[in-house]
Amino acid sequence: AQSVTQLDSQVPVFEEAPVELRCNYSSSVSVYLFWYVQYPNQGLQLLLKYLSGSTLVESINGFEAEFNKSQTSFHLRKPSVHISDTAEYFCAVSDQNNFNKFYFGSGTKLNVKP
Amino acid sequence: GAVVSQHPSRVICKSGTSVKIECRSLDFQATTMFWYRQFPKQSLMLMATSNEGSKATYEQGVEKDKFLINHASLTLSTLTVTSAHPEDSSFYICSASDRARAEAFFGQGTRLTVV
Repeated sequence: AQSVTQLDSQVPVFEEAPVELRCNYSSSVSVYLFWYVQYPNQGLQLLLKYLSGSTLVESINGFEAEFNKSQTSFHLRKPSVHISDTAEYFCAVSDQNNFNKFYFGSGTKLNVKP
Repeated sequence: GAVVSQHPSRVICKSGTSVKIECRSLDFQATTMFWYRQFPKQSLMLMATSNEGSKATYEQGVEKDKFLINHASLTLSTLTVTSAHPEDSSFYICSASDRARAEAFFGQGTRLTVV
């Protein structure tokens, strides 16, 4: 079975500051890794994913995450956040044999202050 | 991009009644849909896998007679919470898989409150 831990339930940060949202996972099988974002009153949107290849993956809006197999981590980072990044972020894993069956972390609320 | 529509977004019902939640894939056919549940300050927990034209597969600990899932077409899956009780109050969210893009898309979620 897989499990995902997001230690920080809330992260307050000032605009233009860097941020890191932590994600650790445990699994007995090979997994794919994802970050989803949920803006207020909207559904989950895929932010970025790691399937294979380069362990550093990037999103179109400046976020990046690095897959670290030895530390079983997939932390999400952004060097300079904007007010519009305020949202809830979910880390998730899926079994490589069942691609679309996800196991989620409890989510981290990112609150960007002016 | 692909859109998954979930309806209703919020529902309040009386204890003992049943509530139906719909999940539609709007621009692709979904042979598989998934239903999740989220308690406050907890993870989204997978409840069941909904398979078009066949029975749903439930995760361990999920009561299949209480949470009825129907996936009658390639664009619609429904979750019916039967004889709802206050402890069923939760946030329910569905996802639909687009096989062509090898990606899952999520609905907006349904906040169920049983009073």
